[in-house]
Amino acid sequence: GNSVTQMEGPVTLSEEAFLTINCTYTATGYPSLFWYVQYPGEGLQLLLKATKADDKGSNKGFEATYRKETTSFHLEKGSVQVSDSAVYFCALSEFTGNQFYFGTGTSLTVIP
Amino acid sequence: SQTIHQWPATLVQPVGSPLSLECTVEGTSNPNLYWYRQAAGRGLQLLFYSVGIGQISSEVPQNLSASRPQDRQFILSSKKLLLSDSGFYLCAWSVAGPYEQYFGPGTRLTVT
Repeated sequence: GNSVTQMEGPVTLSEEAFLTINCTYTATGYPSLFWYVQYPGEGLQLLLKATKADDKGSNKGFEATYRKETTSFHLEKGSVQVSDSAVYFCALSEFTGNQFYFGTGTSLTVIP
Repeated sequence: SQTIHQWPATLVQPVGSPLSLECTVEGTSNPNLYWYRQAAGRGLQLLFYSVGIGQISSEVPQNLSASRPQDRQFILSSKKLLLSDSGFYLCAWSVAGPYEQYFGPGTRLTVT
């Protein structure tokens, strides 16, 4: 079956630190992969996506590369800001299905 | 462009009372529609999804139900709320296939 596993949180970083949030997946076919961000009290927003192996999604300084050989889609940012404090969700979707599979979310707090 | 609305934004209801949450999507036709629940500090739990009018798939047996009376309208209901129904309810839409989901702003439900 399909599933997404992401690193446990919470993660606390100082401003301008490097961020990595690990995400690995299991899929029966060829999924598309996504990262979502959720700010307190809000819905989820799509942060970036990749639809095939070796694609790199990027947005607002965040990047993630679709690695089929390691079944991973790790989220990275070179220099985090206080405004990046949020919960981050990794997710996958397959062509043949109508469902999304979300990871459990990783809470990030960036301190000045 | 597409827009997704949810209302109400916040709701406080006594145990045993009925519930009706509404979600509407603008700017797209025949979307897949989803209801999720998010308990405090937790991940997303898929409750229902719909691929068309009158077509509802339930993922979790419970005292909630969903209906899709119109193409772009999705309603979450309960006849009698339980304390455990408290949470943050999110509606989302997507097109069929391995494409991103778009989330509404959510409804914060507190059952007292």
